[in-house]
Amino acid sequence: AQTVTQSQPEMSVQEAETVTLSCTYDTSESDYYLFWYKQPPSRQMILVIRQEAYKQQNATENRFSVNFQKAAKSFSLKISDSQLGDAAMYFCAYRNYGGATNKLIFGTGTLLAVQP
Amino acid sequence: GAVVSQHPSRVICKSGTSVKIECRSLDFQATTMFWYRQFPKQSLMLMATSNEGSKATYEQGVEKDKFLINHASLTLSTLTVTSAHPEDSSFYICSARDQGRGGYTFGSGTRLTVV
Repeated sequence: AQTVTQSQPEMSVQEAETVTLSCTYDTSESDYYLFWYKQPPSRQMILVIRQEAYKQQNATENRFSVNFQKAAKSFSLKISDSQLGDAAMYFCAYRNYGGATNKLIFGTGTLLAVQP
Repeated sequence: GAVVSQHPSRVICKSGTSVKIECRSLDFQATTMFWYRQFPKQSLMLMATSNEGSKATYEQGVEKDKFLINHASLTLSTLTVTSAHPEDSSFYICSARDQGRGGYTFGSGTRLTVV
């Protein structure tokens, strides 16, 4: 069974600085998707970034980028120029490739605080 | 973008009563809907996967007779918590796969309090 591990329960970053959130996963599949979701205090889940395992190029979305190391099964999220609005719980998630019913498997989350 | 509307956002009910939570996909057809439960400061725990027109698939340990899921149309899935107990108090979130765009969209969640 696939598992997702986030080893940092809490992180803190100064406004305008850069922070990296860690995520590792375990799977025997070769094709899959990885995601980072943000859950602010409103508790609305928001997709931050998505990576297809077959793509070697790391995904980027504005200030958010990932470091995808397939052999190491590592998928970290880098937030550059941190803003107060980035403060939230961040979840790493995994999904097998293909199949509409394939479920998302979430990590335990990292609570990010942004200090002004 | 794709929107999933979840109602109610908050509900308080008495022990022994039933509560229904609705999730509607507003601008896409959701053949599959996922129902999660989240305790404070914890991750999302998948409870069940519902498919339009068929029975839901429940995760191990989730009581199917207690958490009734109905996915009668391509735009509506409901979760009914039957004979609610205080330990059912939690945050419930639905998520739908937008096959057209390939992503997952989440509802805004329902905070259930059973008194």
